[in-house]
Amino acid sequence: AQSVSQHNHHVILSEAASLELGCNYSYGGTVNLFWYVQYPGQHLQLLLKYFSGDPLVKGIKGFEAEFIKSKFSFNLRKPSVQWSDTAEYFCAVNANNAGNMLTFGGGTRLMVKP
Amino acid sequence: EPEVTQTPSHQVTQMGQEVILRCVPISNHLYFYWYRQILGQKVEFLVSFYNNEISEKSEIFDDQFSVERPDGSNFTLKIRSTKLEDSAMYFCASTTTSGDTDTQYFGPGTRLTVL
Repeated sequence: AQSVSQHNHHVILSEAASLELGCNYSYGGTVNLFWYVQYPGQHLQLLLKYFSGDPLVKGIKGFEAEFIKSKFSFNLRKPSVQWSDTAEYFCAVNANNAGNMLTFGGGTRLMVKP
Repeated sequence: EPEVTQTPSHQVTQMGQEVILRCVPISNHLYFYWYRQILGQKVEFLVSFYNNEISEKSEIFDDQFSVERPDGSNFTLKIRSTKLEDSAMYFCASTTTSGDTDTQYFGPGTRLTVL
């Protein structure tokens, strides 16, 4: 069965700092990869997704993620965070032989200090 | 922008009682899902539903759980006899098709508290 690990549970940054959130998955086959964000009091929203092609994926609000197949990783990055990026970030994987179910990581709570 | 909605936002119930959590998926979507997140734990898949039947379900989705699309707009999750360990945030999601690249759109969740 696939699993997803997010190693950073809590991250605190100052505005304008660069962000990288780690995501690793365990599954040997083809996967689709997602990052979702949950702002305080709101629902899960898709930031970006990878299913094929260029392993560097650009999403909304200046976020990007890079799929490195050899490392089973899909890390999320943003060069300069803003206070409004304070939220919880979830990595999720859909293995192609697992139907449509998403397997989520444990989430990373990001706090950006103004 | 169309959204998935869920009611109620918070449900408190006594152990052993039945609860029904309601979701209204995005109107042209055909695939529906329930996930849950126990406090401090990961979001976990429960069940997917298409064409009025269950497509997939996880080990968590035992005989105490059922899903239904009673009309053209609602998608419900019923827990027949709630247990303390059913306390969690329950999220509904929907997609247009089952394609691998389709995004699942999530609702805001229902917080279920079983006393």
